[in-house]
Amino acid sequence: AQKITQTQPGMFVQEKEAVTLDCTYDTSDPSYGLFWYKQPSSGEMIFLIYQGSYDQQNATEGRYSLNFQKARKSANLVISASQLGDSAMYFCAMREGWTGANNLFFGTGTRLTVIP
Amino acid sequence: EPEVTQTPSHQVTQMGQEVILRCVPISNHLYFYWYRQILGQKVEFLVSFYNNEISEKSEIFDDQFSVERPDGSNFTLKIRSTKLEDSAMYFCASSDQAGLNTEAFFGQGTRLTVV
Repeated sequence: AQKITQTQPGMFVQEKEAVTLDCTYDTSDPSYGLFWYKQPSSGEMIFLIYQGSYDQQNATEGRYSLNFQKARKSANLVISASQLGDSAMYFCAMREGWTGANNLFFGTGTRLTVIP
Repeated sequence: EPEVTQTPSHQVTQMGQEVILRCVPISNHLYFYWYRQILGQKVEFLVSFYNNEISEKSEIFDDQFSVERPDGSNFTLKIRSTKLEDSAMYFCASSDQAGLNTEAFFGQGTRLTVV
């Protein structure tokens, strides 16, 4: 089974509108961390936001927030007030705690296009 | 702002040749990683490195791959005999600690094309 699933290969949003990018995850480990990365056309991976499995509140970082629904194993990224510069690939990723492993498992990504 | 740098940005090599991809992690970081992304697919973990040895590797990281920290600043990925399916974007990353919430800082990637 895939550890991270992103079911939206592409999304469009009007500039200044909010958009939600979906991410579901699969783990039996009670300790895990969820990350979102942005990959612009230049190729680099830019960290956006983190949510820990034990965090009581949804993470927020500026215009980014994470809609964390633990029972549903979903960690959707919400981008408010979209800007043209938000057009990029967005990857959800997870790190599991039980093995002490430090690697990240990534989803297949969602390509977001912001329309002027 | 400190960043992870990778060279070259693009490398073309003939099948069967050896390639070395180079990375300079952030200077005070102790944990180093290589990931790869085949075009249009997800980013996949290859290997992690700490204290001058491999701490973890995926099934992709077979005997054709090796990593090295030849000096205090560089971290390299070597592919001994490249195959067409090794064509991908290779990302180096580093972090200052190991932990669930530790952010990994990624470089801009090296696009490897095997012909």
